Amino acid sequence: DAGVTQSPTHLIKTRGQQVTLRCSPKSGHDTVSWYQQALGQGPQFIFQYYEEEERQRGNFPDRFSGHQFPNYSSELNVNALLLGDSALYLCASSLARQSYGYTFGSGTRLTVV
Amino acid sequence: DQQVKQNSPSLSVQEGRISILNCDYTNSMFDYFLWYKKYPAEGPTFLISISSIKDKNEDGRFTVFLNKSAKHLSLHIVPSQPGDSAVYFCAASALDYGQNFVFGPGTRLSVLP
Repeated sequence: DAGVTQSPTHLIKTRGQQVTLRCSPKSGHDTVSWYQQALGQGPQFIFQYYEEEERQRGNFPDRFSGHQFPNYSSELNVNALLLGDSALYLCASSLARQSYGYTFGSGTRLTVV
Repeated sequence: DQQVKQNSPSLSVQEGRISILNCDYTNSMFDYFLWYKKYPAEGPTFLISISSIKDKNEDGRFTVFLNKSAKHLSLHIVPSQPGDSAVYFCAASALDYGQNFVFGPGTRLSVLP
C-alpha cells in the first residue's frame, strides 16, 4: 500500500523563478494538505484541498497556489521565488470524513539561490 | 507569536530510562493534540494523540498527558530505546479549524546506548 508520494525529492531554483511540486495521496485518501518546514522549525500549514477546491488556507501570500485533480493528487505552485522560500515542503493526505489522521510524504527539499 | 511551543530544542536520555518531552500552547480553542516523530529524510509519522476531553492516553511505551488548565502536554517514552532518537513535534488543532494543525518547533531526542 503506497503512502504519500511527493516529487521531486530535491529541487534547486533561482530567485524569481516559479516552481511546481507534486503529491499523490495515500490510496483511499481524498484530502491533501501542504506544509512548509523551514530549517529548525515545525511544519507550517499552507493550504488544504478537498473536492478540487481550496478548503482552508494558512498565512501564506498569494504567490503560493495549488490545485487538486479528480484523482485526488495535488500540486503546489510557488511564483516569484524568494530566498526565504527555501524549505522542506510536506504533503499530507487524509480522509475528509475523519477529522484527524494525516499521512505525510517525505517532502520536497526546495533550495532557492 | 507561536501558538505551540516546545521550549527544549534537544534532549538526551540514557537507553532504558524515561524520556519526557514537553509542549505548551496558548490558544484555548485547541481541542485535539498529536505527537509526530520525524527521522531525517522522512516525513513526520503520527505517534499518539489526545482529545481535550481526556487527560491521558497510552499506547505501548508512549503516554501523552494533557493539563488543560496549564495549557501543557507532555509525551513520556518508557523505556527509551536508541530507535526513538528522532525529532518530536507537538501539534494542535481545533474542531473549528478543520484539519489545520499548528506544529511546535520540535525537540530532538537522542537516546544513548
